[in-house]
Amino acid sequence: GQSLEQPSEVTAVEGAIVQINCTYQTSGFYGLSWYQQHDGGAPTFLSYNALDGLEETGRFSSFLSRSDSYGYLLLQELQMKDSASYFCAVRPTGGGNKLTFGTGTQLKVEL
Amino acid sequence: SQTIHQWPATLVQPVGSPLSLECTVEGTSNPNLYWYRQAAGRGLQLLFYSVGIGQISSEVPQNLSASRPQDRQFILSSKKLLLSDSGFYLCAWSRTVTATNEKLFFGSGTQLSVL
Repeated sequence: GQSLEQPSEVTAVEGAIVQINCTYQTSGFYGLSWYQQHDGGAPTFLSYNALDGLEETGRFSSFLSRSDSYGYLLLQELQMKDSASYFCAVRPTGGGNKLTFGTGTQLKVEL
Repeated sequence: SQTIHQWPATLVQPVGSPLSLECTVEGTSNPNLYWYRQAAGRGLQLLFYSVGIGQISSEVPQNLSASRPQDRQFILSSKKLLLSDSGFYLCAWSRTVTATNEKLFFGSGTQLSVL
């Protein structure tokens, strides 16, 4: 089976940098994705790592290390609007088109 | 451009009543379609997914069923709702998934309260 663990809550101040970790236990997967969800809203895609290393998209970066079964989302120059829940997700090999999501991290950005 | 429509936005239903949630996608053909459920403050649980008309895969034994009567239409149903069916239901679509493209596009969700 697949298990993706994230911290339940992270708090940071506006303008800071925050890292949200995702550790996983899965027999194999194609890549690691990250989604953002504001309260009451739908998740939206942020980033995808098919290979190990760092992917950068504006203020957001995502990292994957398959040897360490670990990934993270890095948010720079935090803004109040970044307050949301963040989910990592994987598509397991042999699992068809299913995307399995992590437990989610609620990020609170304070002044 | 592609859009996904999901309705209703909110729904309050008594225990034992039937349920029908509908989701349609525009601007693409042969999408993969998904139904997820999210309990308050929790992660997303995959309920059903479909790679084509009439092809439904169920992930979790439950009181719900799904159907795909048309290429871009996905319906979530129940004959008799339970209290435990309450939650935020999200429909999503994706293109044919490849190793470099796994992006899901979500609908706006339906908040279901079973009382």
